Amino acid sequence: EIVLTQSPGTLSLSPGERATLSCRASQSLSNTYLAWYQQKPGQAPRLLIYGASRRATGIPDRFSGSGSGTDFTLTISRLEPEDFAVFYCQQYIASPLTFGGGTKLEIK
Amino acid sequence: QVDLVESGGGVVQPGRSLRLSCAASGFTFSTSGMHWVRQAPGKGLEWVAIISYDGSHKYYKDSVKGRFTISRDNAKNTLYLQMSSLRTEDTATYYCAKDKSWIQEYWGQGTLVTVSS
Repeated sequence: EIVLTQSPGTLSLSPGERATLSCRASQSLSNTYLAWYQQKPGQAPRLLIYGASRRATGIPDRFSGSGSGTDFTLTISRLEPEDFAVFYCQQYIASPLTFGGGTKLEIK
Repeated sequence: QVDLVESGGGVVQPGRSLRLSCAASGFTFSTSGMHWVRQAPGKGLEWVAIISYDGSHKYYKDSVKGRFTISRDNAKNTLYLQMSSLRTEDTATYYCAKDKSWIQEYWGQGTLVTVSS
């Protein structure tokens, strides 16, 4: 089973700042098989990024993904108030699909 | 728009069974794979199972193999998760999700399953 490690566990920032979230895999995911999801309290997760860097339908361009192999990054260029949530990375190169433990992005 | 509505959750005793349903609309259900993903209270996401568009291929997380069965009825646009021999560690909100090349593209709002004596 592929293990994903997200860091930091919690990130405290202010609206307008730049957020950088990391996800490290226990084995290579190529440059394709990594997705990012956002989950707000009491809501279902929402797909943000797939293929490491492709934005899902309707996702603002302030969200971007990068990386390959075992190291991936989700960047939010200028935080809006509605962006504060928990973010999960997921690998889908092999079954079982696995998620990282999540990064909570909170308002400073 | 895509709409996924889960139902069937509730409180069940350890060792008992429960069947979850997911009613789909807003897309061509019969041509789309589907997933179940769960989330224990206050915890992270855990993928459970996937089924291909025609039901011919199914994959499961190891801890549910032999206990859970994913299935679908394309005539009814409905996805199912039959859960048996339930354990306390199966307590979670269960989400169904539409597949896009093994990604969970759209999610339902979830149904809570509580396994407790």
